[in-house]
Amino acid sequence: AQSVAQPEDQVNVAEGNPLTVKCTYSVSGNPYLFWYVQYPNRGLQFLLKYITGDNLVKGSYGFEAEFNKSQTSFHLKKPSALVSDSALYFCAVRDGGPFTGGGNKLTFGTGTQLKVEL
Amino acid sequence: DAGVIQSPRHEVTEMGQEVTLRCKPISGHNSLFWYRQTMMRGLELLIYFNNNVPIDDSGMPEDRFSAKMPNASFSTLKIQPSEPRDSAVYFCASSPGQFNEKLFFGSGTQLSVL
Repeated sequence: AQSVAQPEDQVNVAEGNPLTVKCTYSVSGNPYLFWYVQYPNRGLQFLLKYITGDNLVKGSYGFEAEFNKSQTSFHLKKPSALVSDSALYFCAVRDGGPFTGGGNKLTFGTGTQLKVEL
Repeated sequence: DAGVIQSPRHEVTEMGQEVTLRCKPISGHNSLFWYRQTMMRGLELLIYFNNNVPIDDSGMPEDRFSAKMPNASFSTLKIQPSEPRDSAVYFCASSPGQFNEKLFFGSGTQLSVL
C-alpha cells in the first residue's frame, strides 16, 4: 500500500521568509512524488514531481522540493515566500513498482494550508 | 485549450434524488479520474479510466455510485439515490497517458445533499 503524510495542517510564514511544507511517504517500491497546489474554489494544479535523478526538483512559481530517501521525505520549499503563495498544498505519491500493476493511482495527503502574511 | 470542464459548478438536491456530474477532459488525454474532496477524508480517488475503460473503481464508496465514459470526450459520475453524506466537492482530472502523473484538474462540482 502507498501512503503520504503531511504532519502540519497549517504553516504560517512572513512574506520574504523561506517556507517549508513537510511531506513523508510510504511505498513498497520506488516512489513517484508530487506536489499540487489548490487555490480557493479551484481544482488542484501541478507544481512539481520527482521520478528519478537529482534529489532537488525545481517546479513552478519558484518552488522546489528535496527527495530524501533515507528519511522518506519530500518537503516543499521556497526561498522567499509571497502573499500570493497562500493556498492549500498537497503532497502525493504513487508506487513506481515493480509489481504495482501499473496505472496512475495517486494517493494524496490531507493537505497543508500555507498562509503568508505581510 | 479550455482545460478540464465540469458541470454543474454547484448542485443542491434532496436526499433520495439522482445526481449526475459531468466532465469533459482535455482533448487528447487518455486517462480520466474522479476524485471526491471532503474536510474529513481529504481527497479520495473514486475511479479512473484509461482509453475509456475503467481501470480501478476500488474507491467507489457504494453501489449507489456509478461512472461511465462513453467516449474520449465525456464522462459522468452518477449517485442514485443521493444521501447527505455524499455532500462534497467532486473533481474530475485528466492526464495525457496512463503513466503520465501530471494531472489536470477541473474546477469541481460542489454537491450539497439536503
